[in-house]
Amino acid sequence: EADIYQTPRYLVIGTGKKITLECSQTMGHDKMYWYQQDPGMELHLIHYSYGVNSTEKGDLSSESTVSRIRTEHFPLTLESARPSHTSQYLCASSEFSGGEETQYFGPGTRLLVL
Amino acid sequence: AQSVAQPEDQVNVAEGNPLTVKCTYSVSGNPYLFWYVQYPNRGLQFLLKYITGDNLVKGSYGFEAEFNKSQTSFHLKKPSALVSDSALYFCAVRDKTGGSYIPTFGRGTSLIVHP
Repeated sequence: EADIYQTPRYLVIGTGKKITLECSQTMGHDKMYWYQQDPGMELHLIHYSYGVNSTEKGDLSSESTVSRIRTEHFPLTLESARPSHTSQYLCASSEFSGGEETQYFGPGTRLLVL
Repeated sequence: AQSVAQPEDQVNVAEGNPLTVKCTYSVSGNPYLFWYVQYPNRGLQFLLKYITGDNLVKGSYGFEAEFNKSQTSFHLKKPSALVSDSALYFCAVRDKTGGSYIPTFGRGTSLIVHP
């Protein structure tokens, strides 16, 4: 198991609320990622970071924002949650090993917006 | 550009039988290829990867995958399936000549192993 943590694991929240999904890793990885995944479906990259103070948007348009102030921490924020944000959010970090970057995933946060 | 296809949404196999989960890819150059497994309500776990060299790659939990350049495939295999192998399996690819470190994931294949 990789040392990457996500909190909360489950969250039920009302429309319009501001929420922050936490992601932390203790492996010292520079690169971190956020994916959105509907249950049993493919992953969609929404944000990534190559290091402190570096953030980029991914392939899937998202109303969320991220920050990377510390290497180990990569929180994702929704300013105003909507039912369309209901999904599972997976955080990952990667390291260069065996000749290539390999991603390691956290356990995910399952979000339900009412 | 890089893309990956998992042609089967679901694979059913009896316990003790060999299993294969299919993956094909498309890249401009040469590929890096990965397999991940996802158990219910969990994140993805890394199984194995192909970088270069031997076409047969061995990974965790008895899984292996065979890289076939002519068929642009990277099928996941296991000689004898266990009920506990039932999960969602994702193939991923990254183009070695691409400028991004980010792989592209397939849609996933649900493996169901029957007792």
